[in-house]
Amino acid sequence: RKEVEQDPGPFNVPEGATVAFNCTYSNSASQSFFWYRQDCRKEPKLLMSVYSSGNEDGRFTAQLNRASQYISLLIRDSKLSDSATYLCVVILASGGSYIPTFGRGTSLIVHP
Amino acid sequence: NAGVTQTPKFQVLKTGQSMTLQCAQDMNHNSMYWYRQDPGMGLRLIYYSASEGTTDKGEVPNGYNVSRLNKREFSLRLESAAPSQTSVYFCASRGGRDIVNTQYFGPGTRLTVL
Repeated sequence: RKEVEQDPGPFNVPEGATVAFNCTYSNSASQSFFWYRQDCRKEPKLLMSVYSSGNEDGRFTAQLNRASQYISLLIRDSKLSDSATYLCVVILASGGSYIPTFGRGTSLIVHP
Repeated sequence: NAGVTQTPKFQVLKTGQSMTLQCAQDMNHNSMYWYRQDPGMGLRLIYYSASEGTTDKGEVPNGYNVSRLNKREFSLRLESAAPSQTSVYFCASRGGRDIVNTQYFGPGTRLTVL
């Protein structure tokens, strides 16, 4: 079982829709969590961190459920420009180092 | 600030050739990472360096070597390239000791091995 799993999609939604992605992780000792966005053939860029209390940034809301070991990303009022691949990242601290593990990404296509 | 820079942007090699991918960051970050990204596989960690003078293997280190030349620079070397190493390679850096600190990525090197 891969350490971090995501549904690859694609999620194909109309403009204005609300869409949600989940990401599950296997190591209960994982300590911090992020969502990144990656546009085609570009480098990943941080979208938002994920906190236990949940956090919101405009149309984006991230949640962490430690008991069930998953994180989620909710996008409201989808825009064409939201079309991208969304990567979840889980950080494990090991021997003083922080080891990031990426999910394979979820593809989102927003159409007119 | 330039952030994380990588050279070259594109490279084509023949099987058995060697090359070094260069990465530099100007954010005074302690940790640096090398990833490869293949279609459908996501980002896989090759090597990382938690601080200047240290390097450790990641998930897929075979066929690669790294050097943390100084705090700014972290290079990745392919001694004898193979077609299976055709991929997009990303370098990243991360600052501070706080676990909530995030990574910043370079623009990537697209490598084709014939």
